[in-house]
Parts: sequence; C-alpha cells; structure tokens
Amino acid sequence: QKEVEQNSGPLSVPEGAIASLNCTYSDRGSQSFFWYRQYSGKSPELIMFIYSNGDKEDGRFTAQLNKASQYVSLLIRDSQPSDSATYLCAVNMDTGRRALTFGSGTRLQVQP
Amino acid sequence: EAQVTQNPRYLITVTGKKLTVTCSQNMNHEYMSWYRQDPGLGLRQIYYSMNVEVTDKGDVPEGYKVSRKEKRNFPLILESPSPNQTSLYFCASADRGLSNQPQHFGDGTRLSIL
Repeated sequence: QKEVEQNSGPLSVPEGAIASLNCTYSDRGSQSFFWYRQYSGKSPELIMFIYSNGDKEDGRFTAQLNKASQYVSLLIRDSQPSDSATYLCAVNMDTGRRALTFGSGTRLQVQP
Repeated sequence: EAQVTQNPRYLITVTGKKLTVTCSQNMNHEYMSWYRQDPGLGLRQIYYSMNVEVTDKGDVPEGYKVSRKEKRNFPLILESPSPNQTSLYFCASADRGLSNQPQHFGDGTRLSIL
C-alpha cells in the first residue's frame, strides 16, 4: 500500500512565527508533490507544488523536497490566524493512473 | 472564471434510492476525478477519467459508477446508495499530464445516506 504520512496535529504556533509542516511518502519513484490548504467544510486549495529536490519559495510559503529521504515539507513564515486550516500533502505516486495520494492532513492553529 | 462546479452541494437521501452528483469544469481539462473524504482517512480516489469515453477505477470504486460523454462533465452515480457511502465528495480536474499540473477541486458535495 503506497502511503503518504502526516502528523495530524494540531500544530499550534503564535502569530508571526514559522510553521513547519512535514510529510513522508512511501513510493521512492514519486515525481510530483503538492501542498493543499483546506478550511473546515471547504474544498482543498492548492498552495504549492514541487518536483525537484531543494527549496521552492512563493511569498510566505516554502516547500522543501528531499527525494532521498522521501520527505517533503512546507514552511509558512510570519504565520497569520488566517493560516489556521488543515494542510494536505499530496503525492503523484502512480503516473500511469495519474492519481494523487493524499495524507490525512495536519491541522495548523495560529494563535493571535 | 475558471471553476469546477458540483451539484448538489448537500443531499440527504435513503438507502437504495439512485442518485447522481454532477460535476462540470470550464477549463477544457482532459483529466477529471472523483474523491471522497472521510475523517481520519483523508481524500481517496473513487474514479478518474483521462479524456472523453476513458474512465478507470481509483482506490475505492465499489458502489459507484461514472461516465464521461463530454469533456466538461463527469457525473458520479450511486445506483443503490448505502449508509457507508455517507461522505464528503469532491470532483477535481487537471490539464493534460497530472505530473506537472495540479488538480482543481470543486466545492464539494456532502451526502448523507440514511
């Protein structure tokens, strides 16, 4: 069973701090990695995607990928209360089926 | 506005009564997919479609049917719904190769099967 693992949280950080969200995946052949944000009862919203080892920055968000360790993370700088949500890690594990395998998500709480 | 539209947004129905959840996208995407989301289990793929008339099973296809007669529409059919299909359902679409294109999600359909 190919899996994507995330700590369910909640991860609580004070406003203005850096939030670090982590994700590991089981399929060494995975090529594409996505971070989605989901507010309660709403649909997943794409934040970032990363395909190559290293860091990718977009505003306050940085995605980090280490394929050797099968590890992808999302850093949120200057966290705001509006960042409070569940963050879903998704991995394209089966390019033939073009399916995304999702982790169960990490709930982030940013305290004012 | 680029969007994926699902209907209905909410539905309460009874066991065995056939229902269809519609999904339509206006982005001319080739790839469409259905997911269900359950607490603690995350999003799981039900069915997907690479293009018109091309559909295939995902991880949890039992009890569901789909069709793709037009590029923009991808309805999800529950022929004989059961209580274990009570869930939050999302339709998603993506352009051509998923490996370098993210999926765009609809607003979701909350189904309750009594």
